[in-house]
Amino acid sequence: QKEVEQNSGPLSVPEGAIASLNCTYSDRGSQSFFWYRQYSGKSPELIMSIYSNGDKEDGRFTAQLNKASQYVSLLIRDSQPSDSATYLCAVKSGGSNYKLTFGKGTLLTVNP
Amino acid sequence: DGGITQSPKYLFRKEGQNVTLSCEQNLNHDAMYWYRQDPGQGLRLIYYSQIVNDFQKGDIAEGYSVSREKKESFPLTVTSAQKNPTAFYLCASSIGSQGSYGYTFGSGTRLTVV
Repeated sequence: QKEVEQNSGPLSVPEGAIASLNCTYSDRGSQSFFWYRQYSGKSPELIMSIYSNGDKEDGRFTAQLNKASQYVSLLIRDSQPSDSATYLCAVKSGGSNYKLTFGKGTLLTVNP
Repeated sequence: DGGITQSPKYLFRKEGQNVTLSCEQNLNHDAMYWYRQDPGQGLRLIYYSQIVNDFQKGDIAEGYSVSREKKESFPLTVTSAQKNPTAFYLCASSIGSQGSYGYTFGSGTRLTVV
């Protein structure tokens, strides 16, 4: 059973701080990694994708991947109250596996 | 604008009734998926389809059925055999059949048993 684990939170940070969200996965053959943001009552929205070891930056968001440690993280710099949401980590295994496996998500609250 | 349209937004089902959730995409994506989300749970895959006229069961297919007669459409039927159907249902699509570039989600259908 391929698993994706996230701390459920809630993670609470003050406005302007860096929020750090973490995810581990069990399938060492995984190739593609995604972070989705889901506001309460809404559907998930893709915010970052990463495919190779290292960092990938997009605006205030940085995704970090370490395949040796089977670990992927999302950093949100200068956190804003509008960043308050649940963040889902999703992993696609290699080979012919068709699907993304999602973690249960981490609830982030940014306090003004 | 391209996207995925799910309807209805809210759906109420009586005991023993079958209901169908609509999912239409104009992204020209090959693959489509149905997920179920329960409070405090991750997304669980119900069915997926990589090409027209072909679909496969996901992790929790019992009590559900689908069809893929057109590339744009992937409706989900929740049958009376699904004993606990109250949940948030999400349809998604992806470029190519392997999901390597992530999914685009529709806005979801919230189903409640009354």
